[in-house]
Amino acid sequence: GEDVEQSLFLSVREGDSSVINCTYTDSSSTYLYWYKQEPGAGLQLLTYIFSNMDMKQDQRLTVLLNKKDKHLSLRIADTQTGDSAIYFCAERGYGGSQGNLIFGKGTKLSVKP
Amino acid sequence: EPEVTQTPSHQVTQMGQEVILRCVPISNHLYFYWYRQILGQKVEFLVSFYNNEISEKSEIFDDQFSVERPDGSNFTLKIRSTKLEDSAMYFCASSVGAAGTGGKLFFGSGTQLSVL
Repeated sequence: GEDVEQSLFLSVREGDSSVINCTYTDSSSTYLYWYKQEPGAGLQLLTYIFSNMDMKQDQRLTVLLNKKDKHLSLRIADTQTGDSAIYFCAERGYGGSQGNLIFGKGTKLSVKP
Repeated sequence: EPEVTQTPSHQVTQMGQEVILRCVPISNHLYFYWYRQILGQKVEFLVSFYNNEISEKSEIFDDQFSVERPDGSNFTLKIRSTKLEDSAMYFCASSVGAAGTGGKLFFGSGTQLSVL
């Protein structure tokens, strides 16, 4: 079945770049998403990429998609302490389900001052 | 900024009791969802709802679960007879368009359900 895998932890220093990686199995995925979860809060949509794109940049965020390897990454430039959160990768295939996003377990990003 | 709101933030119940989790989706959204996250596990899809009916449900969403949109603003998840394994964070979400065609899901902050 469909699956999304992420490493569980990442620790960086303030000001450095963070790169959070994700692999997925569904080759028909059309949209891939990054969500952020701060303590006590819901899942906040950060950005998403359509499968016909290789890269998407949105201010400090860069998403890279390698469809051949089914690999998605999120780069956060100039990481700040406020970026400390859990980051979830999610995929959605085409057709059929209207809302069945497949999530990874989430990567906990810790930013040290 | 519009947001999805969920109440209560925490719910404690006894095994076998019924619980209703409440959600107010974003007002112009047409698609509604429930997800859950058991501690330490992945966020899992439960059900999607559109045009006043369930459009898809997962294997988790058995006969003990039901959803309802009782009025123009609320969207509820009912668990008829709770089990210990129903303990989880339950997230409500909504979107303007269907997720399968790129509709972006907006999530609430969740209801932590603890079944004792």
